[in-house]
Amino acid sequence: GENVEQHPSTLSVQEGDSAVIKCTYSDSASNYFPWYKQELGKGPQLIIDIRSNVGEKKDQRIAVTLNKTAKHFSLHITETQPEDSAVYFCAASWIKAAGNKLTFGGGTRVLVKP
Amino acid sequence: DVKVTQSSRYLVKRTGEKVFLECVQDMDHENMFWYRQDPGLGLRLIYFSYDVKMKEKGDIPEGYSVSREKKERFSLILESASTNQTSMYLCASSRIVAGGPETQYFGPGTRLLVL
Repeated sequence: GENVEQHPSTLSVQEGDSAVIKCTYSDSASNYFPWYKQELGKGPQLIIDIRSNVGEKKDQRIAVTLNKTAKHFSLHITETQPEDSAVYFCAASWIKAAGNKLTFGGGTRVLVKP
Repeated sequence: DVKVTQSSRYLVKRTGEKVFLECVQDMDHENMFWYRQDPGLGLRLIYFSYDVKMKEKGDIPEGYSVSREKKERFSLILESASTNQTSMYLCASSRIVAGGPETQYFGPGTRLLVL
């Protein structure tokens, strides 16, 4: 089955700096890569996703890049703010007709210091 | 807005007890999932269901069972709780989207402590 590794496990950045989280996956059939953000006391929430036919996707201060050949994808947060402090999870899935199971990475705890 | 609710935020049980965790979603989603979340291990899939009365094993089903009698409700059952089942349990739901990604919406989680 799919295996997703995520690095680093913790990341501390100064407010205004950029944060980068990297994930690698093992199954070349995976073609969908979402990122979830989990704030304290809440369940994970989708913040951005990318499909394998796209190399990069951006939404305001967050962007995701995908390298299918190397089987890795990354989350980039620019101009970090205190509200970006959370745990971030990457995931991989193979989109099929119905029922797409996600395999998650281990998570990255991001702390943005004011 | 999609809402996924879980019956308890915190639960303390004794070893050997039968434990029921309930999840309800209000968006008529076909898919429902149960995960456990442990530090450094991310979210691991226990069971999922594509339809009423349907269930499929995830990556770590041992020691758990599930029930889906109604479309909106998915229950996780620990037949005989053990200390290694102390964890955060997250429920999620998603709509079937033919040919497209299915965003999973998560509940707030139930933190279970087995003594």
